Amino acid sequence: DTAVSQTPKYLVTQMGNDKSIKCEQNLGHDTMYWYKQDSKKFLKIMFSYNNKELIINETVPNRFSPKSPDKAHLNLHINSLELGDSAVYFCASSTRDNKNIQYFGAGTRLSVL
Amino acid sequence: SQQGEEDPQALSIQEGENATMNCSYKTSINNLQWYRQNSGRGLVHLILIRSNEREKHSGRLRVTLDTSKKSSSLLITASRAADTASYFCATVPYNNNDMRFGAGTRLTVKP
Repeated sequence: DTAVSQTPKYLVTQMGNDKSIKCEQNLGHDTMYWYKQDSKKFLKIMFSYNNKELIINETVPNRFSPKSPDKAHLNLHINSLELGDSAVYFCASSTRDNKNIQYFGAGTRLSVL
Repeated sequence: SQQGEEDPQALSIQEGENATMNCSYKTSINNLQWYRQNSGRGLVHLILIRSNEREKHSGRLRVTLDTSKKSSSLLITASRAADTASYFCATVPYNNNDMRFGAGTRLTVKP
């Protein structure tokens, strides 16, 4: 069974649309993350979230919002998509006590046309 | 600003050879980690070295950390074709818990 799973794997959409990427982990972790990997392969954290605290990277536009229906899920909603949003988005999870070791999903490649 | 920067950006070797990748960072850290990313997959945690450690081993992996030079190296001995992947260093700065990744080294091991 996949520990951290993201859907969809690929997402192609038009500028201005609103889209969501789903993430689920079955590891029993209490902290989840979203990262963006740009075309130069830099991986930048966007959000970290546990059931008490959402930490937002201040450089992330407010068009991006994480939604957590429960501890095992952290979905990423993106409004009014822009060309520059094209990237690979990774979800990850860890225990709150050991954020140093994170488990990653396989990524969602988003292409905005 | 990006914390870790890997060097070289790409490395191609023959199976059986050793591969060395380097990572430099800018600020004081709590720990440094290395991850592997196979093509089209998520990152997989390989090894963590704390700021008070100088060397760590895990199987064919050897990681060193020089905090005075703000650098780390990952050595893969007796490489295999299956080691072909991108390798990222990630640092956890001393004053917060956010991991910061570099752009990675793309390693190709030719059979």
